[in-house]
Amino acid sequence: SQQGEEDPQALSIQEGENATMNCSYKTSINNLQWYRQNSGRGLVHLILIRSNEREKHSGRLRVTLDTSKKSSSLLITASRAADTASYFCATDAGGTSYGKLTFGQGTILTVHP
Amino acid sequence: EAQVTQNPRYLITVTGKKLTVTCSQNMNHEYMSWYRQDPGLGLRQIYYSMNVEVTDKGDVPEGYKVSRKEKRNFPLILESPSPNQTSLYFCASRPPDTPYNEQFFGPGTRLTVL
Repeated sequence: SQQGEEDPQALSIQEGENATMNCSYKTSINNLQWYRQNSGRGLVHLILIRSNEREKHSGRLRVTLDTSKKSSSLLITASRAADTASYFCATDAGGTSYGKLTFGQGTILTVHP
Repeated sequence: EAQVTQNPRYLITVTGKKLTVTCSQNMNHEYMSWYRQDPGLGLRQIYYSMNVEVTDKGDVPEGYKVSRKEKRNFPLILESPSPNQTSLYFCASRPPDTPYNEQFFGPGTRLTVL
């Protein structure tokens, strides 16, 4: 079953605008990760947030995590055309599920020049 | 360069013809995994391996086999491929030291079964 559900499924913005993607999940997690996938290519890790963290930054990326609501958001500020890609959240339950990532369906982001 | 490699990158085959997709990593990672990606379903785990000779089923293992005879290699075997195994396949590996490390993905193998 899919742990993560992402919203929106597709997002189209202009260069310079901010892009926000949301992810909800169903069970307890050890950490939550965000990945980017350029069309038909492998996934690239963007950022990881632990279950005891509420916010994390990396360059133009900001991730929040609300474990009470079982949700996370990824904010990309000052977007660029090169940010056009699919973005996936992935949850890691830890424990006996060590190493297994459960992915959402992804958000397709299109940034227009 | 630290990386995960997969071969072949593209494969078109026919129903029932056994095939193997290779995966190799040069980072001395213990944990390796296979995923398939289908439209609207995201990535789903097929099999994973915690270390040499230790493998276990993921969420969608039916129709697949794996082996882990060496730490660096984790091939995915389709003994009798069927059209519903047409998909984009990814191999991934993960360092062993802490539970917080990200996974490194290969470039993907696009498989079409006719």
